[in-house]
Amino acid sequence: EDKVVQSPLSLVVHEGDTVTLNCSYEVTNFRSLLWYKQEKKAPTFLFMLTSSGIEKKSGRLSSILDKKELFSILNITATQTGDSAIYLCAVGRGGSEKLVFGKGTKLTVNP
Amino acid sequence: DGGITQSPKYLFRKEGQNVTLSCEQNLNHDAMYWYRQDPGQGLRLIYYSQIVNDFQKGDIAEGYSVSREKKESFPLTVTSAQKNPTAFYLCASSILAGGLYNELFFGPGTRLTVL
Repeated sequence: EDKVVQSPLSLVVHEGDTVTLNCSYEVTNFRSLLWYKQEKKAPTFLFMLTSSGIEKKSGRLSSILDKKELFSILNITATQTGDSAIYLCAVGRGGSEKLVFGKGTKLTVNP
Repeated sequence: DGGITQSPKYLFRKEGQNVTLSCEQNLNHDAMYWYRQDPGQGLRLIYYSQIVNDFQKGDIAEGYSVSREKKESFPLTVTSAQKNPTAFYLCASSILAGGLYNELFFGPGTRLTVL
């Protein structure tokens, strides 16, 4: 059975801290891994990773994929209260139209 | 502005009633999806559609039905057969069917509560 496991499930930090969110997966015919940020309503797209070892970066956020060890990390440096959200990891499979989602990591950044 | 709209934002239903959640997109996307989100459960796929007049069951389709008569619209009906319908429902779309090379765009969601 395909599965995506995120850790930790929840995390509380102070502004300015650096956090690392983890996503491991076991899926057949892996094609892509996606990160989303969900604040109150609609998840918004952050990154899509398809190649191992290539870092994607956007401001204070960065992500990398390790296809050998079957995991990805999402790093957030110098966290701000606006980073508080649920971060979702999803994996796409070849030959399937469905993304498999993890349960998410709830990040709380306190002032 | 292009995007995905869902209505209503909040919906209350009595047990035994069918309700229909609306999802409309003006992004000209081929594929549309319905997900259910419960606390601590992540997103679970209910139904998806790659083309008009065609749709497939997702992982938790029992108690739900959909239609895709227009490219822009993908309504979800929660029937009385769904035993635990209280949840947050998210509609999404993607440029190419599958979302494998293109990200999913999500609507703002509908929170359904069964009284």
